[in-house]
Amino acid sequence: EAGVAQSPRYKIIEKRQSVAFWCNPISGHATLYWYQQILGQGPKLLIQFQNNGVVDDSQLPKDRFSAERLKGVDSTLKIQPAKLEDSAVYLCASSWGSNSPLHFGNGTRLTVT
Amino acid sequence: AQRVTQPEKLLSVFKGAPVELKCNYSYSGSPELFWYVQYSRQRLQLLLRHISRESIKGFTADLNKGETSFHLKKPFAQEEDSAMYYCALPNTGGFKTIFGAGTRLFVKA
Repeated sequence: EAGVAQSPRYKIIEKRQSVAFWCNPISGHATLYWYQQILGQGPKLLIQFQNNGVVDDSQLPKDRFSAERLKGVDSTLKIQPAKLEDSAVYLCASSWGSNSPLHFGNGTRLTVT
Repeated sequence: AQRVTQPEKLLSVFKGAPVELKCNYSYSGSPELFWYVQYSRQRLQLLLRHISRESIKGFTADLNKGETSFHLKKPFAQEEDSAMYYCALPNTGGFKTIFGAGTRLFVKA
């Protein structure tokens, strides 16, 4: 099966600029996740979708981060405006259901200068 | 609150030596735990899950509810085991999937 696709792989922006990340999950996977992984830390869940509905976004900084999963397939995560502390790897993952193993994309490494 | 703790940031062993990567959790209920691994320049991927009770690449992990632990073990480490290992508590009963901070395993020749 094709894996989780993410783009871009790398992004460098200046603080206060905006950026968007794209994710295409494995076909048929109902659950989609966005994680933020800061250097030296484990992945932290930002938002979880079940089909096109949000299951959990309790750790999403909603004043600057937004995410959508139109039609319950691919998803975009946006940051506007970016801060220095947003520098991290943004991982997208998908699974059959909320209790199933996660399949991860390669991630997008964001550097905010 | 749901929590996963990996107390060691770095574990260095010699090839052929036994290895144990520690994971402790806090969860009210019957947890289902996973180990994920990230090899150099590869994506994060599932290594094993406790419910399947299988050995993957020589690794096993036993859930100890009394000690609230899910340590990952391998009797004889290989150089190709060098990677970043994450313990994870998946979404159960409405809780989100959370990951530990990870342990970097370095197997020396």
